[in-house]
Amino acid sequence: DTGVSQDPRHKITKRGQNVTFRCDPISEHNRLYWYRQTLGQGPEFLTYFQNEAQLEKSRLLSDRFSAERPKGSFSTLEIQRTEQGDSAMYLCASSLVGSFRETQYFGPGTRLLVL
Amino acid sequence: LAKTTQPISMDSYEGQEVNITCSHNNIATNDYITWYQQFPSQGPRFIIQGYKTKVTNEVASLFIPADRKSSTLSLPRVSLSDTAVYYCLVGGDNYGQNFVFGPGTRLSVLP
Repeated sequence: DTGVSQDPRHKITKRGQNVTFRCDPISEHNRLYWYRQTLGQGPEFLTYFQNEAQLEKSRLLSDRFSAERPKGSFSTLEIQRTEQGDSAMYLCASSLVGSFRETQYFGPGTRLLVL
Repeated sequence: LAKTTQPISMDSYEGQEVNITCSHNNIATNDYITWYQQFPSQGPRFIIQGYKTKVTNEVASLFIPADRKSSTLSLPRVSLSDTAVYYCLVGGDNYGQNFVFGPGTRLSVLP
């Protein structure tokens, strides 16, 4: 257990529905990252926050994807109007920038299946 | 942004030492090297990190030659539970969006 938690661990939804995933980072970490991972591939970067600020979001897969970190603690990733191609593992990671070297610690992931 | 190259897969037997080499010819002066392990249906787990020479922890050793264009993750006396995918990443402080995973090395430990 890295101290990063994600909820839910599994989500099954029907095409066209909206889904929201939550990530709780390690409490003293100021950065939070979201990744997507499909079968047989390494994690793919989506977006990241430093405190409340979203520093990069151009790599979100489409405008159906959005993320928030309203108080600089937990974060949510929302996918609107889900498509079957959104089926994947969604991973969250956190890190402490300003320490000696940035090291990301990952949560267990949320596995999404879109029917 | 340094690109890394690793073998796609490796097989080993229980009790053997396994060495996985990662090439990163374009590593920058302030880049360091980080290795992760990932089991199926779990998030990647940090294993070890280094800048030069040798780093050892309770899980693995990391060997980095003087030119830093490659690195070798060494797993002593592997067991079946070490079967996983291993990722090598390079980057400086403030990774940001440049924390790029390749396909990793799929290690299979056989009895």
